[in-house]
This record gives sequence, C-alpha cells and structure tokens, in this order.
Amino acid sequence: GENVEQHPSTLSVQEGDSAVIKCTYSDSASNYFPWYKQELGKRPQLIIDIRSNVGEKKDQRIAVTLNKTAKHFSLHITETQPEDSAVYFCAAHRGGNQFYFGTGTSLTVIP
Amino acid sequence: DGGITQSPKYLFRKEGQNVTLSCEQNLNHDAMYWYRQDPGQGLRLIYYSQIVNDFQKGDIAEGYSVSREKKESFPLTVTSAQKNPTAFYLCASRDRGVTGELFFGEGSRLTVL
Repeated sequence: GENVEQHPSTLSVQEGDSAVIKCTYSDSASNYFPWYKQELGKRPQLIIDIRSNVGEKKDQRIAVTLNKTAKHFSLHITETQPEDSAVYFCAAHRGGNQFYFGTGTSLTVIP
Repeated sequence: DGGITQSPKYLFRKEGQNVTLSCEQNLNHDAMYWYRQDPGQGLRLIYYSQIVNDFQKGDIAEGYSVSREKKESFPLTVTSAQKNPTAFYLCASRDRGVTGELFFGEGSRLTVL
C-alpha cells in the first residue's frame, strides 16, 4: 500500500518568515495530494490540494509543489502569522476510497 | 448548514464497556470514513463505507464495528476488544465525484477510565 512520510514533525518560525513542510509518497499511482490544517481541538480542514497533472498551485500565502519523479510534495506558507499555528497533514490518494495521511507537522508561529 | 455532526464530543467509558460514536452528514455524500488520531501518529483509517449497507475494514479495524443503514449515518462502536481505545475519533465524508475532498466532523474524544 501507500506510505506517506512527513517532515518535520515540529516547526517554529518567527512571524513573517516562511514555513516549508515536506512529504514523500511511495505509490506512483497516487494522483491527488491534499493538505489539511487542524487547529487545536478542531476538525481538519482542507487548505490546498494539487493533482498529479500540475506542478505547483498557489492560493494567496500558501502554495504546494509536486515533484512526481521524486515522489514528493511540499507546502509553503509565506509571511506567516500567529493564526497559521496549527497541525498540518499531507495526504495522498490514488482513486478508490483510501487516503493515506502523513503523521503531521505542528507549526508554531512566534509573534 | 451542510456538514458532518459527531456526538458526543467527549465520552468517558469504563473498561469492558462498548460505546457507540455517532456520525451524521447532510452533504449527500456517498462515502464515509472513521479515523483514529493519536498524538504523533496522524490519521489512521478504521473503517470506510462507499454506499449504504456496505463497509470495508481500514488499517486498524480490530476492536471496532460499524454499520451503514442510511446514507446520512455511519456510527462507530468501540468494543471491549479494543485494547487501547483512548483516542480522538474523526468521522469524514466525501463526494465520490472528481473533487475528492474529505470533509471532517469535529471529532469525539474517548477516554477509558
């Protein structure tokens, strides 16, 4: 089956700096890669996603890049703000019904 | 408001007792999922269901059971056979169309005393 690894597990940045979270996957058939943000005690919510026919996608301060050859994808947050502090999960999906999640990155933005 | 509702939000159980977590959605989604979340371990799939009266085991199904008698509802029973049931449980649903986005409920935190 699919194996998704996520790094780092914790990340602290100063407000205004950028944050990068990286994930690798093992199944070359995976074709959909969402990122979820989970604030403390809240539900995970989709913040951005990318499909395998695209190399990069941006939405304001967040972007995701995908390298299909190397089987890795990354989340980039620029101009970080305290409200960006949360746990971020990557996932891989290849069709069918199963999503495979990374172990999460706890991001802290220091004011 | 469309969404997924989980109840209860907090639940305490004595060892040896079964407990059922409720998950209801009004998004008209066909697929529904139960995940378990433990610190540092991400989301692990317990069971999922693609349509009514059908469900499949996920990676950690032992000690759990589900039913899918209605499209809107996918309850999870944590049985006494589950060795370490204290965890945060998340229900999710998905439209089987192209988008693929998972919509999550607020979660249920189960503590075994």
